[in-house]
Amino acid sequence: EAGVTQFPSHSVIEKGQTVTLRCDPISGHDNLYWYRRVMGKEIKFLLHFVKESKQDESGMPNNRFLAERTGGTYSTLKVQPAELEDSGVYFCASSHVGGQRDYEQYFGPGTRLTVT
Amino acid sequence: AQKITQTQPGMFVQEKEAVTLDCTYDTSDPSYGLFWYKQPSSGEMIFLIYQGSYDQQNATEGRYSLNFQKARKSANLVISASQLGDSAMYFCAMRDSGNTPLVFGKGTRLSVIA
Repeated sequence: EAGVTQFPSHSVIEKGQTVTLRCDPISGHDNLYWYRRVMGKEIKFLLHFVKESKQDESGMPNNRFLAERTGGTYSTLKVQPAELEDSGVYFCASSHVGGQRDYEQYFGPGTRLTVT
Repeated sequence: AQKITQTQPGMFVQEKEAVTLDCTYDTSDPSYGLFWYKQPSSGEMIFLIYQGSYDQQNATEGRYSLNFQKARKSANLVISASQLGDSAMYFCAMRDSGNTPLVFGKGTRLSVIA
């Protein structure tokens, strides 16, 4: 079974530019989460999809961040325009809905975003 | 609101020895889950172990065990017989019942010394 994949693994952009991060969850996982870790701080929740619907987007920092999950498969997270404080590692995780181990979230390798 | 506290920024342990990584939590929800993740230098987050708030026994997964003390609100991770490959960041996390998002601590960097 393929794991959660994220693209790109690294991205370096200038302040004011746009970046789009992609996450492909494990096939069949309806739950998809985005998290972010800013240097030296906790990993923070950004938002949660169940299939194509946004279940919870309370962690999105501001309206420069836009997440989509068309068709309930892969998800994209766009940052436009990027600011210096957006630098960090963006993680995606997926999990089953229901089932014996529905608590287990499988994480992708993360995308390291650097805004200069 | 939920909160996870990991008070050890860094820990050292001799190879083959056991080590305990501390984690305390706070929540008002009677039903919750506690998790530990490992993040090696390659960056991926690896699920290690899970403890449900109503589980009677402490969770174990191979060399990992979770010392769950509900009254103290602590969920310490014990790694037995440490190996060099255990060197990594370790994150404690929790969430309420259901498919709610995880709340993480700041992490503990474990270094295993030969």
